[in-house]
Amino acid sequence: DTAVSQTPKYLVTQMGNDKSIKCEQNLGHDTMYWYKQDSKKFLKIMFSYNNKELIINETVPNRFSPKSPDKAHLNLHINSLELGDSAVYFCASSYSGNEQYFGPGTRLTVT
Amino acid sequence: DAKTTQPPSMDCAEGRAANLPCNHSTISGNEYVYWYRQIHSQGPQYIIHGLKNNETNEMASLIITEDRKSSTLILPHATLRDTAVYYCIVRGPNTDKLIFGTGTRLQVFP
Repeated sequence: DTAVSQTPKYLVTQMGNDKSIKCEQNLGHDTMYWYKQDSKKFLKIMFSYNNKELIINETVPNRFSPKSPDKAHLNLHINSLELGDSAVYFCASSYSGNEQYFGPGTRLTVT
Repeated sequence: DAKTTQPPSMDCAEGRAANLPCNHSTISGNEYVYWYRQIHSQGPQYIIHGLKNNETNEMASLIITEDRKSSTLILPHATLRDTAVYYCIVRGPNTDKLIFGTGTRLQVFP
C-alpha cells in the first residue's frame, strides 16, 4: 500500500500551459507539503497545509496554487508554465509536524 | 533554523558501519536534529531524530554530543541499498519546515 502517492510520475508540457499534480496520502496525517527539487538537487519547501489550512507559503510565484480538498489530498496547480519550472516536485505528509513522509515525486519538464 | 555542515561525500565498505558527521554549532536548546536520506530518484526518507539523548531505531543510531554542537548518524551494517544522499537538518519545535542542505553523498561499495 502506497503511503504518499503522486500523479503523474512524469509530466512533459509546453511553455504557457496550465497543469496540475495530484497528491494523496493514506496515513491519516493532518499536514501535507509540496517541495521542489531543481536540477542542482536543491530541495526546497513550497507550501504546507494543516487540516486544509495554508500554513507555510514560501516565496513562490503566484502561478503556483495549492489546493487541499480534504486532509488526504493536496494538489498543486501551475499556471502559465515556464522553462524554470522544470524540476521534480515532491509531496509529503506528517502528523502534527512530526517526521515527514515523502511521495515518489513528479518530474515536470517544460519545453 | 541553525545551519548544518556535512562532508560532501563519504565511502563505506558493505557490512561495515557508516558514520556520517554533522556540525550544527549554532543549534538552539529546543531545536531537534533530524536525518533524512534520498536514494537516487526517490523521495526523501525519514531516518531518525533527536533532541539531546542518543537515539536508536531499526534503521540507524543518532549520537549527539553533550554540547549539542555536532551529531553522528550511524548505519551499523551498511548495505549497497544504503547508497544515498544523507541530510542532517536542524528544526525548531514550532515549525515543521525542513531546510535541506547539500547533504553527504554516501557510497557503499562491495
